[in-house]
Amino acid sequence: NAGVTQTPKFQVLKTGQSMTLQCAQDMNHNSMYWYRQDPGMGLRLIYYSASEGTTDKGEVPNGYNVSRLNKREFSLRLESAAPSQTSVYFCASNYGGQEETQYFGPGTRLLVL
Amino acid sequence: QKEVEQNSGPLSVPEGAIASLNCTYSDRGSQSFFWYRQYSGKSPELIMSIYSNGDKEDGRFTAQLNKASQYVSLLIRDSQPSDSATYLCAVSAPSQGGKLIFGQGTELSVKP
Repeated sequence: NAGVTQTPKFQVLKTGQSMTLQCAQDMNHNSMYWYRQDPGMGLRLIYYSASEGTTDKGEVPNGYNVSRLNKREFSLRLESAAPSQTSVYFCASNYGGQEETQYFGPGTRLLVL
Repeated sequence: QKEVEQNSGPLSVPEGAIASLNCTYSDRGSQSFFWYRQYSGKSPELIMSIYSNGDKEDGRFTAQLNKASQYVSLLIRDSQPSDSATYLCAVSAPSQGGKLIFGQGTELSVKP
C-alpha cells in the first residue's frame, strides 16, 4: 500500500516549456487535490477533483490544467511554464470533501528558469 | 485579514517544555480544523483534527478549539527534539465552498 505517489520528485524547466506532474493513490479515495507550497505562503489549492470525471478550480488555477484520468490518477499540467510557477507541488487525496483529513504525497520540486 | 493566521515563529522551546501553537481564522461558519506537521523537505502529515469546541487529547498533543473566539491551538507536552518541524493549521471555509485553507505555518524548534 503505497498511499499517494507523485512523479517526478524534482524537475528543472526553462520558461515556456510544458510538463505534466503525475499523482496516483491506491487508497480508493474519491477526492484528489493539487496544492503548491511557497515560502511563507502555506499550501494553496490549485485544482481539485471531488470524484472521477469532475474537476474544479481552487485558489490559484491560472497557468495550470488538470485531468482526472480515473479514480486513482490525477495529473497537473503546466502548458507554458513561468518562473512564478517555481514551487513545491503536493498531491493529496481523501474519501470525501475538503472537510475531511487529506493524505499527502511526497511532493514534486519544480524549478523554472 | 488573512483567512487563517498563525504565529509567525520560529518558536523555540527547551526539551521537556510545553510548546503552544496558535491559529486564528476568519470564517465564522468553519466546522473542521486540522493540525498538520511538516518536517523540512517532507510532506504534511496529520497530527490532530477537531470539530467541536473544547479540548481533544492524543498522547502528548492537545488541540483546543474556541469557535466563539475563532481560535484553535495545539499544545505539545514534554516537547522532544523530534517535534522540531513546521506546524500547519488548516480550516474548512464554507464561504468558499468548503475549501480547506492553510495557514502559513509555525516553525517549532525544540532544543536539547
